[in-house]
Amino acid sequence: EPEVTQTPSHQVTQMGQEVILRCVPISNHLYFYWYRQILGQKVEFLVSFYNNEISEKSEIFDDQFSVERPDGSNFTLKIRSTKLEDSAMYFCASSESRSTDTQYFGPGTRLTVL
Amino acid sequence: AQSVTQLGSHVSVSEGALVLLRCNYSSSVPPYLFWYVQYPNQGLQLLLKYTTGATLVKGINGFEAEFKKSETSFHLTKPSAHMSDAAEYFCAVSSFTGGFKTIFGAGTRLFVKA
Repeated sequence: EPEVTQTPSHQVTQMGQEVILRCVPISNHLYFYWYRQILGQKVEFLVSFYNNEISEKSEIFDDQFSVERPDGSNFTLKIRSTKLEDSAMYFCASSESRSTDTQYFGPGTRLTVL
Repeated sequence: AQSVTQLGSHVSVSEGALVLLRCNYSSSVPPYLFWYVQYPNQGLQLLLKYTTGATLVKGINGFEAEFKKSETSFHLTKPSAHMSDAAEYFCAVSSFTGGFKTIFGAGTRLFVKA
């Protein structure tokens, strides 16, 4: 069964450093998403991406964040200058079409900012 | 604006007992509703979803949920709990409002006692 994959599974970085989290969505999917989950808290929407542009973003997704689909398979989330409060589990998801369709989630990348 | 409220951050049931996890939503447009399950250190797995049509939705692992528009609810049930059902459950709402965005509830952790 096709699945969304994410790398790395765990990333440790120093405050102020840039990180790039990588995702490979399911191959025929057209809509891509990033969510984050701070330890013990709920899953929060960050951004959705369609047709090579951001479709919607939350207030969390400020200028420190960016997303890119650099090639036909990868979907990345970049945090330019990490803060302690960016420590969280980051989930990538993809769906075949609209958000009413099932979003398939990857296993997540745990980001730890020291 | 959309929001999701899950009543009870923790629910404990005995094996074989009824599982009832409560979810209420708020949406200014017709909602699409989802239940996801998260096992420890794993991503989110879709249990079931409601988009249109029949208001009683059946999902995987014997779970079902009923969309009640008048009560703005989408409670998750399972007639007989199994030990393997112990996990975190998230209710989510999504709608097309010019973009694609899913809002999650805070989650309910289900404990199953032998």
